[in-house]
Parts: sequence; structure tokens; C-alpha cells
Amino acid sequence: SAVISQKPSRDICQRGTSLTIQCQVDSQVTMMFWYRQQPGQSLTLIATANQGSEATYESGFVIDKFPISRPNLTFSTLTVSNMSPEDSSIYLCSVIPPGSYGYTFGSGTRLTVV
Amino acid sequence: DQQVKQNSPSLSVQEGRISILNCDYTNSMFDYFLWYKKYPAEGPTFLISISSIKDKNEDGRFTVFLNKSAKHLSLHIVPSQPGDSAVYFCAASSKLTSGTYKYIFGTGTRLKVLA
Repeated sequence: SAVISQKPSRDICQRGTSLTIQCQVDSQVTMMFWYRQQPGQSLTLIATANQGSEATYESGFVIDKFPISRPNLTFSTLTVSNMSPEDSSIYLCSVIPPGSYGYTFGSGTRLTVV
Repeated sequence: DQQVKQNSPSLSVQEGRISILNCDYTNSMFDYFLWYKKYPAEGPTFLISISSIKDKNEDGRFTVFLNKSAKHLSLHIVPSQPGDSAVYFCAASSKLTSGTYKYIFGTGTRLKVLA
């Protein structure tokens, strides 16, 4: 399995500002996935990040709002831009380790926008 | 449209008894299913999985049952322990053309095991 380090673990941000979340994996992986869990909701896939190409966004999510970087096979960032209170969620990065079918998740970033 | 549903948001069970968590799905193309456990302030951790070619998979105290005709799966925990208290998510997937899997998660069931 893979070990994922995600930071920050939590933050309280002013509306209109941006926050960048970092995700570091201890092994090389082709794809990294970014999820959001809004209060009382399921985990929703935001986008899939491939190294060397633009991220693939799910319906309802756009690059201007959630820009993603994937500079190498072990690291990715997700930025939540121009935040509003509706962006208050837990954001999770995840990978599917080689030889595995299921995700390994980071510990998550709990974001509160005030 | 929620393709994966966990209709019970919470469940309380006495220690030592069986916990049964249920999950329904709508997409007959799903061919792999997983259960995750999530403690507060932590990311979800993988618990157990089942392929659509099976109807049961067992791992220690945890057993997952799959009823494809009913599009229903369940997670049984026997015996339940206080440390099992967490939120449990089921997830279903189908294989993408890229060869990887894309997962759809349910809304979760909060299990509380009472000592």
C-alpha cells in the first residue's frame, strides 16, 4: 500500500481567498484523485490528476475554481479559489497503489470558510 | 442521481452483537465494491472488497455479501467491538477505458458500538 501525507490538516479561511492543499505519496503513482466530502454527504470526486497532463474534472467542477498541479509522480496540489462558505468541506487526495483495486486516502484537509 | 445509497445514516449496536450495514446501487455495470471505515479527523481506510463474480467475501470479523440481482451489498461485523465505532462508506466501481477504476461512494453510515 501507499502512504500519503496531506497538508494542511485543517484551515479556517476568509471568503474570497484561496487555499492550496498539498499531497505527497511515498511511491510513484500514475493517477492521483481529489475528493470532497461536504457535511453529511458522500465523497465526491473533483478531478483526476495525471502527471504531465491537465487534470480531468468531473461534472460540476471546473479548473478555474479548483486548479490542480501534478509536477511529478509523487506529488499533487489542489487549490480552492475565491472561496465561499459553500466550499467548507473535507478535501481528500487518494491514489490506487500498484496491484490494488481500492483507494488509499490521505488524512484529509478540513476547510472552513468564514 | 445517487448511484450508491446507504439509507441508514446511523446504527447503534451492543458490543458482541452483529452489526449489519447495508448499501444499494443502481448501475448494473458496477463490478467491484469496497467498504471503507472513517474515524474523525482521519481519511477513510480500506476495510474489505468484493468482486461481482462472488457473492461473499470474509476477512476475520468482517464479511461482505453481494446480491447482484437485488443490486444490494451488506457488511456484517461479528462480534462488534467499541473500536468499530466509525462511519462506514460503501463504494462501487466499473473499469474505465484507461484501465483504472472510478469509484462512486455512498453517503455513509455512522456505527456506534455500545459497551
